[in-house]
Amino acid sequence: NAGVTQTPKFRVLKTGQSMTLLCAQDMNHEYMYWYRQDPGMGLRLIHYSVGEGTTAKGEVPDGYNVSRLKKQNFLLGLESAAPSQTSVYFCASRSGTGGGYGYTFGSGTRLTVV
Amino acid sequence: KQEVTQIPAALSVPEGENLVLNCSFTDSAIYNLQWFRQDPGKGLTSLLLIQSSQREQTSGRLNASLDKSSGRSTLYIAASQPGDSATYLCAVMNSGYSTLTFGKGTMLLVSP
Repeated sequence: NAGVTQTPKFRVLKTGQSMTLLCAQDMNHEYMYWYRQDPGMGLRLIHYSVGEGTTAKGEVPDGYNVSRLKKQNFLLGLESAAPSQTSVYFCASRSGTGGGYGYTFGSGTRLTVV
Repeated sequence: KQEVTQIPAALSVPEGENLVLNCSFTDSAIYNLQWFRQDPGKGLTSLLLIQSSQREQTSGRLNASLDKSSGRSTLYIAASQPGDSATYLCAVMNSGYSTLTFGKGTMLLVSP
């Protein structure tokens, strides 16, 4: 059981380039989330999805787009990368609503924009 | 807007000590609170989840408590070991679409 898998694990981009980060979960979870982690800022929510075909903005959505065409996949896109998007990106999933359901996190993607 | 604060930001203790990490949050309308562990350069590992109706949860040497009305949680680690060295993150799950708000973490170093 792989859980939440993120690809790639590392990437270096030049300013203005685009890329897509892939998150895949094999737990049939409805809810999926993208967070970024920066020193001194903690983890902040970028976008999230409450089901296949749905997405919503989180705390820091600017400069990112997302898609959830299949239930198991949640894609995070950077259309024109900026140095401010240098960060570690974490994907997470959750099976349902209510307080008994916790989050499962992927191992992260370390992105550097030069 | 929910805000989560963790104190202390860093903690260094000798092996064998019992220790307490603190977490406070501003909005008590939460579904649950989770404590995570993060090793350097790694992802997040869930340690304990306390539902809003619960007071505490235990797993091995770890015990987490929740006082929702006062907006506080503590993570108690008994008989600390060097392998416990990591950053510990507190996160509250907000009502609505169950988004998490994280604290900035407590970096723990346990010396042999």
